[in-house]
Amino acid sequence: GQQLNQSPQSMFIQEGEDVSMNCTSSSIFNTWLWYKQDPGEGPVLLIALYKAGELTSNGRLTAQFGITRKDSFLNISASIPSDVGIYFCAGQGRGGATNKLIFGTGTLLAVQP
Amino acid sequence: EPEVTQTPSHQVTQMGQEVILRCVPISNHLYFYWYRQILGQKVEFLVSFYNNEISEKSEIFDDQFSVERPDGSNFTLKIRSTKLEDSAMYFCASSDWEKLFFGSGTQLSVL
Repeated sequence: GQQLNQSPQSMFIQEGEDVSMNCTSSSIFNTWLWYKQDPGEGPVLLIALYKAGELTSNGRLTAQFGITRKDSFLNISASIPSDVGIYFCAGQGRGGATNKLIFGTGTLLAVQP
Repeated sequence: EPEVTQTPSHQVTQMGQEVILRCVPISNHLYFYWYRQILGQKVEFLVSFYNNEISEKSEIFDDQFSVERPDGSNFTLKIRSTKLEDSAMYFCASSDWEKLFFGSGTQLSVL
C-alpha cells in the first residue's frame, strides 16, 4: 500500500533545542498535514499545507510543502517539555478525487527538561 | 472550540461479539471518517462517509464492518463478530473537506 516514511523514527533532545523531522513519499499529494498525538489521545492538527513550496508557521512550529509535492518537513524551535509526543505527517488528495489521509510512520519526540 | 466526541473511551468485548463505536462529528462538517491505530503503529484509514453513503473504504474495511449515520448528529462504526486482531484504538474524524479533526478515540480490546 501507500507509504509515507518519516525520519527520524525517534528523537531525544534537551529542552530549548530545535527539532527537525521530515516525511517523504513516492506519491504526489495535493495537501500535507502535520499532526501531534499524545498518549491515549487522537491526533491533533498542527499545520496544513496546500501549495508546493509553501512555508507555514504556527507559533514555534514551521512546516514546508516540498516542491515535488512528495515531501514535507516540520521544524520545532526552542522545544519545551510539552512538545513530547508522536508527530505524524499525513498526505491528502492523492489522485485528486479523495480527501482521505495517508499517515506517515511517525516521529517520537522526547524532551529532557 | 467544536470537537469530535467519541464514546465509549474504552470497550472490552469477547471474541465473536458485536460492538458499536459511537461518534458525534463537528456539527457543520459534511465528511466523516473512521481510522484505526494498532498499538505502536501508524494511523490507518478505514472508511469515509459523505452524503449518507460510503465514499471510500480501505482493504481493512471488509464485510465485518459497517457504518451508519442514524440521525443528524451521530456516526457509528459497527464491528460484527470481533476478532483478536480487531483490538486497536479507533478514531472518528470529521472535516469540511481538507482539515480532518479527530476524536480522542475508543480503545477496543477483544479478549
